[in-house]
Amino acid sequence: QVQLVQSGSELKKPGASVKVSCKASGYTFTSYAMNWVRQAPGQGLEWMGWINTNTGNPTYAQGFTGRFVFSLDTSVSTAYLQISSLKAEDTAVYYCARDFSWDGSGWYKYWGQGTLVTVSS
Amino acid sequence: EIVLTQSPGTLSLSPGERATLSCRASQSVSSSYLAWYQQKPGQAPRLLIYGASSRATGIPDRFSGSGSGTDFTLTISRLEPEDFAVYYCQQYGSSPSFGGGTKVEIK
Repeated sequence: QVQLVQSGSELKKPGASVKVSCKASGYTFTSYAMNWVRQAPGQGLEWMGWINTNTGNPTYAQGFTGRFVFSLDTSVSTAYLQISSLKAEDTAVYYCARDFSWDGSGWYKYWGQGTLVTVSS
Repeated sequence: EIVLTQSPGTLSLSPGERATLSCRASQSVSSSYLAWYQQKPGQAPRLLIYGASSRATGIPDRFSGSGSGTDFTLTISRLEPEDFAVYYCQQYGSSPSFGGGTKVEIK
């Protein structure tokens, strides 16, 4: 069965960096795009962008350029989200979500459990 | 960028009642590339509907989606206790985006 397992909660100080992992199993990792979705405390879902798991090419949504980097390690079927120069407003739960399609144009049936990143001094 | 506006923000209903949730897009959603998700506290979202009206695997038939262009609706025919949650619409045709959500709460 398809599973996406994310790394555990992180507590970081402002200005630090964090790297969240999303390990996939139960399917061919390079056949489906991977998306990242942010949810700030008490707020709605916000699409951050997606990465082509075949080419490694990332696409970032408006507002998620510069400090946010999507990457892959296909040898271990894992996608990563790295956020640098962390700010308090980056405090949120970050989800990976597998696309139905390879090209980022599908819906998301499979989601990771979410990773809470807390930024506080 | 397509902006999705969901209404109402909160829906207060009793078990057994019918729920009608609206999602309006700022421009036409191509090929009805619209999905609905349910989210409960502390859980990841769960896919309910894709392609505006197709139920995902394992979703009860009391959930139905309809609409096209800029106006979409999620209907829950008879609310069960487990249906009280937050519901989000999403367009995934071009630069995906989510609506702000509708909370369905127990009256």
